[in-house]
Amino acid sequence: EVQLVESGGGLVQPGGSLRLSCATSGFTFSDSWMHWVRQSPGRGLVLISRMNSDGSSTYYADSVKGRFTVSRDNAENTLYLQMDSLRVEDTAVYYCASNSVWGQGTMVTVS
Amino acid sequence: EIVMTQSPATLSVSPGERATLSCRASQSIGSDLAWLQQKPGQAPRLLIYGASTRATDFPARFSGSGSGTDFTLTISSLQSEDFAVYYCQHYKNWPFTFGPGTKVDIK
Repeated sequence: EVQLVESGGGLVQPGGSLRLSCATSGFTFSDSWMHWVRQSPGRGLVLISRMNSDGSSTYYADSVKGRFTVSRDNAENTLYLQMDSLRVEDTAVYYCASNSVWGQGTMVTVS
Repeated sequence: EIVMTQSPATLSVSPGERATLSCRASQSIGSDLAWLQQKPGQAPRLLIYGASTRATDFPARFSGSGSGTDFTLTISSLQSEDFAVYYCQHYKNWPFTFGPGTKVDIK
């Protein structure tokens, strides 16, 4: 069974940092593009970052570019999102996703 | 950036009836379109990719069609478990963007 489990969310003050993790199992993580998507009531679903299988190619939404950094550990089947200089508008549920399966999400509140 | 729009915002349907949801891209995306289903309190689930290929978890009453800029998701006979929000998303080029969603609720 494919599983993606996010962790690391919480309450942080504006300007602070958080690091999200996405532990995966049940598929070949090291062959997979991976994505971070966030969802907030006012902004809907936004795909904020994606990374190719070996980590050599990354994409960021303009809203997070320069503040968020995606990384992965293929030996540990884990995806990360380092979030710095957090803003109130970053408040959202953050999901990691493969090309076909999503995790359950972790809530990030910036206040 | 490609803008995705969906209509209607809300669709009220009786169980057993047919539901037709529309999605439009601001420029041609070929068939690089996915549909996702989201139920309250749950993560979205991939339903359709390549505009018309159904994910294995979903039954045949779900079908997708279209190419270019206009796409349709059809649910042939709504079941109680199908009441949810449906999003379209393109993956033609970065940034991949989502539509605002269509909520299918019980009439």
